[in-house]
Amino acid sequence: SQQGEEDPQALSIQEGENATMNCSYKTSINNLQWYRQNSGRGLVHLILIRSNEREKHSGRLRVTLDTSKKSSSLLITASRAADTASYFCATGKTSYDKVIFGPGTSLSVIP
Amino acid sequence: SAVISQKPSRDICQRGTSLTIQCQVDSQVTMMFWYRQQPGQSLTLIATANQGSEATYESGFVIDKFPISRPNLTFSTLTVSNMSPEDSSIYLCSVDGGPSTDTQYFGPGTRLTVL
Repeated sequence: SQQGEEDPQALSIQEGENATMNCSYKTSINNLQWYRQNSGRGLVHLILIRSNEREKHSGRLRVTLDTSKKSSSLLITASRAADTASYFCATGKTSYDKVIFGPGTSLSVIP
Repeated sequence: SAVISQKPSRDICQRGTSLTIQCQVDSQVTMMFWYRQQPGQSLTLIATANQGSEATYESGFVIDKFPISRPNLTFSTLTVSNMSPEDSSIYLCSVDGGPSTDTQYFGPGTRLTVL
């Protein structure tokens, strides 16, 4: 079963703008991850944030986690056309355990 | 991170037939996972394959429909049996990232269309 909700379901922005996607989850977590999927192909792992962390950065990506609200956000700054993809949040315990995915946000970056 | 390949990358099949999807990883891993992604949907776990033991299936998925093999630490297969159009999906395998990370790594997926 899916972990929670993501919003927006779809997002369209101009190149250079920032994109923010939100994810909510239902149960307690050890970590939360964000993945990208281009054109219905394989998933690329973007970033992992642990339950004791509040914010994490990786290049143009910024992830926040609020465990009291059971929510996370992914910010992509200075977006590029190549960022066009679907973005999924996912929760799990360790890499040996199943990952539960949110419904995803479809991002379109218009050149 | 592990490099994972899947074969075939895509296929179009007739209803009632079966398709076996292969997942190969370039290093030994403990756990391999099979996910299904129906059109426009998110990923749902089908089963977990641990080498040397029977696969563990999630609710709603059964071994007769999705038999899985895990003959060694670098390879697994998923068979989609007696296919119907409702089986049209992307099937993805993933592997554990090892003890130093909580991340799983995903293969490129197999896009299956059933006519």
